[in-house]
Amino acid sequence: SQQGEEDPQALSIQEGENATMNCSYKTSINNLQWYRQNSGRGLVHLILIRSNEREKHSGRLRVTLDTSKKSSSLLITASRAADTASYFCATDANDYKLSFGAGTTVTVRA
Amino acid sequence: EAQVTQNPRYLITVTGKKLTVTCSQNMNHEYMSWYRQDPGLGLRQIYYSMNVEVTDKGDVPEGYKVSRKEKRNFPLILESPSPNQTSLYFCASSPGLAGLYEQYFGPGTRLTVT
Repeated sequence: SQQGEEDPQALSIQEGENATMNCSYKTSINNLQWYRQNSGRGLVHLILIRSNEREKHSGRLRVTLDTSKKSSSLLITASRAADTASYFCATDANDYKLSFGAGTTVTVRA
Repeated sequence: EAQVTQNPRYLITVTGKKLTVTCSQNMNHEYMSWYRQDPGLGLRQIYYSMNVEVTDKGDVPEGYKVSRKEKRNFPLILESPSPNQTSLYFCASSPGLAGLYEQYFGPGTRLTVT
């Protein structure tokens, strides 16, 4: 079952701008993860945020989590062409399984 | 280099011809899983394994089999492939349970069933 849903489905921005995408989920979680996928390749883990955390940073990435709204956001600051990819949130339906959303496709224009 | 490998990377086959997609990891991870990715649907889990000889169904297990006889290998078996199994398949592994650890993904296997 698809627990998380990303919004928007697609995003086009100019190099240097910030990109924000959101993930909403339906049931309570312990952790939420964000992954990046470059065109048809394997997913790469970006950040894991626990349910008792509200914000986490990694380089130019900032993830927030609002468990009361069952939502998370991923912000990419000062975007680069190399950030062009699809971004997925994944929630733990239980400890054994991750449920992925359909993803947000980000295009960074030079 | 720590990695998850899959073979083959591309496969075109015909309906009903049994096939196996191999997955191997060199990180001594306990947890391994298989996903399929279809346009607009994201990744859906097929099967997962928490350790040797311990496997369980994911969200879309119909038409697939798996085995975990060794810690490093987790092959995906399609006994009688059908066109609706045309998809991009990913193997992933992690040190422990999927919800608690980051997943390391293989490069993917693009399967076409005609």
